[in-house]
Amino acid sequence: GENVEQHPSTLSVQEGDSAVIKCTYSDSASNYFPWYKQELGKRPQLIIDIRSNVGEKKDQRIAVTLNKTAKHFSLHITETQPEDSAVYFCAASTDSSASKIIFGSGTRLSIRP
Amino acid sequence: GAGVSQSPRYKVAKRGQDVALRCDPISGHVSLFWYQQALGQGPEFLTYFQNEAQLDKSGLPSDRFFAERPEGSVSTLKIQRTQQEDSAVYLCASSLGESGTGELFFGEGSRLTVL
Repeated sequence: GENVEQHPSTLSVQEGDSAVIKCTYSDSASNYFPWYKQELGKRPQLIIDIRSNVGEKKDQRIAVTLNKTAKHFSLHITETQPEDSAVYFCAASTDSSASKIIFGSGTRLSIRP
Repeated sequence: GAGVSQSPRYKVAKRGQDVALRCDPISGHVSLFWYQQALGQGPEFLTYFQNEAQLDKSGLPSDRFFAERPEGSVSTLKIQRTQQEDSAVYLCASSLGESGTGELFFGEGSRLTVL
């Protein structure tokens, strides 16, 4: 089955700097890669996703890149702000009717003022 | 309601007790997932329903865990003879479509503590 590895487990960056979180996956059939943000005590929420037919997707300060050959994908947050502090989870799944989304172990991002 | 609703939010059980956790998905959502989230970890897949059909239960850790969604809407996760290692947050999520490549809308979770 699919296995998703995520690193680093914790990341601290100065406000205004960029943050990068990296994930690898094992199942070459995976073709959907979402990223979820979970603030302390709250539910995970989707912030961006990418499908395997594109290599990069941007949404304001957030971007995700995908390298299908190497089976890795990354989340990039630019101009970080205090409200970016949270735990971020990458995930992977396949586009089939019985597929499940497999999550990485999470990255705790802290933004230093 | 507008979002996924889970109850109870908090449950303390004595070891050996049975518990039932309820999930009310967003109306009209076909897919429903249960995940287990241990402290400091990512959500671990437990089981998946498409309408009332349980299509995947490969993540259920033992036969003490049972889930159902009899009418294709509300789902219940039941844990029999709870053990301390069952302590975790149980997250329910629903999505609109049939495949696993749509946005998951999570509930706030049910935090289970087994003493």
